Amino acid sequence: DAGVIQSPRHEVTEMGQEVTLRCKPISGHDYLFWYRQTMMRGLELLIYFNNNVPIDDSGMPEDRFSAKMPNASFSTLKIQPSEPRDSAVYFCASSSGQWSSYNEQFFGPGTRLTVL
Amino acid sequence: SQKIEQNSEALNIQEGKTATLTCNYTNYSPAYLQWYRQDPGRGPVFLLLIRENEKEKRKERLKVTFDTTLKQSLFHITASQPADSATYLCALLTDSWGKFQFGAGTQVVVTP
Repeated sequence: DAGVIQSPRHEVTEMGQEVTLRCKPISGHDYLFWYRQTMMRGLELLIYFNNNVPIDDSGMPEDRFSAKMPNASFSTLKIQPSEPRDSAVYFCASSSGQWSSYNEQFFGPGTRLTVL
Repeated sequence: SQKIEQNSEALNIQEGKTATLTCNYTNYSPAYLQWYRQDPGRGPVFLLLIRENEKEKRKERLKVTFDTTLKQSLFHITASQPADSATYLCALLTDSWGKFQFGAGTQVVVTP
């Protein structure tokens, strides 16, 4: 398996623009997580899905952020409109069932977002 | 949510010595606690998990302990090598579904 795939790897955009980050989890994994990492706040969970259903979105900073998982092999995180404070590295991670594999999360390479 | 504290200062250690990292939390003891390694420009990589009813877990040169009384986990790298240089994060299970909260991480620098 290729692991968790994220695209794009780097994104530079201007304030006010819409940004869409994409993630393909590992096949067979039924949990998908979106994280944001900054120097100031560390690794923060934004939202996670189980079997394509959002379970907890309490970490989504505000209404400008939205996430979808239309099927088991694809998820998006959208920021509209983007702001400079959204600049961060965004990670997608996936894991298999709760009582197996120690809830080990497999992280993608991340998307480095810069909002000018 | 939990307040999770990891050493904010980098740990500089000589090759061959044992590196010991701490992860302290403030509220309830989690059912699971994990440790991850993160290299610059990459996502975290899972290393070990320890359950609340386990005192110690080992994997090769790595050892994790979990003291629910002290609300603390210790992570040891024995016979450290320069290749062990990275940031190490602890993560606590915070719900029954599989949601983890991460600490800020501690950077380890192993010098030859």
